[in-house]
Amino acid sequence: GAGVSQTPSNKVTEKGKYVELRCDPISGHTALYWYRQSLGQGPEFLIYFQGTGAADDSGLPNDRFFAVRPEGSVSTLKIQRTERGDSAVYLCASSLHAGLAGGPSYNEQFFGPGTRLTVL
Amino acid sequence: QKEVEQNSGPLSVPEGAIASLNCTYSDRGSQSFFWYRQYSGKSPELIMFIYSNGDKEDGRFTAQLNKASQYVSLLIRDSQPSDSATYLCAVRGSGTYKYIFGTGTRLKVLA
Repeated sequence: GAGVSQTPSNKVTEKGKYVELRCDPISGHTALYWYRQSLGQGPEFLIYFQGTGAADDSGLPNDRFFAVRPEGSVSTLKIQRTERGDSAVYLCASSLHAGLAGGPSYNEQFFGPGTRLTVL
Repeated sequence: QKEVEQNSGPLSVPEGAIASLNCTYSDRGSQSFFWYRQYSGKSPELIMFIYSNGDKEDGRFTAQLNKASQYVSLLIRDSQPSDSATYLCAVRGSGTYKYIFGTGTRLKVLA
């Protein structure tokens, strides 16, 4: 399994519940991104990790959303008090590195298959 | 004005024709530009990236970048029905790690 993996592939929950979405990046990739994609839209940036730290979380819509990457590999996106508007496909992507001076090979993002979240 | 704009389509071209997909962006300092293909129900996959003004060719695909006009395009030569998908333009802004995606252009190649 050399690609990015995400679990679960589908998650159905009720409004107000808490959910966790997991992303396992490609081994050795230091940069990890979370996106949200609604039907008919492009991926919307949520948060970016370089190693263990969140280098840019400006895309998180509100404080119900939080993400961690404690060991610099697997990341978990956590959503509290889910709302129907949170329903979307949540995509994770990783790249070797995302340094601003990095060349093309460092910046190429590889996407996981996504988690489809449905909030009833 | 959206940060990255694409015509949502659908763009229909006959098999064997050239498909031309366009994207404009608002951040004049943007440095990196990417084209992704996304089949229905699947995740995006990178087709090409371009950093410098001009053309970059890879097989049947050519990316064109004009930073002065803030315009990037993707040409697909000898279009095949298997090219039918949504094509997403992504831009990485200046001094940022964020990638901003357009809404995508749906391409239909008619056999």
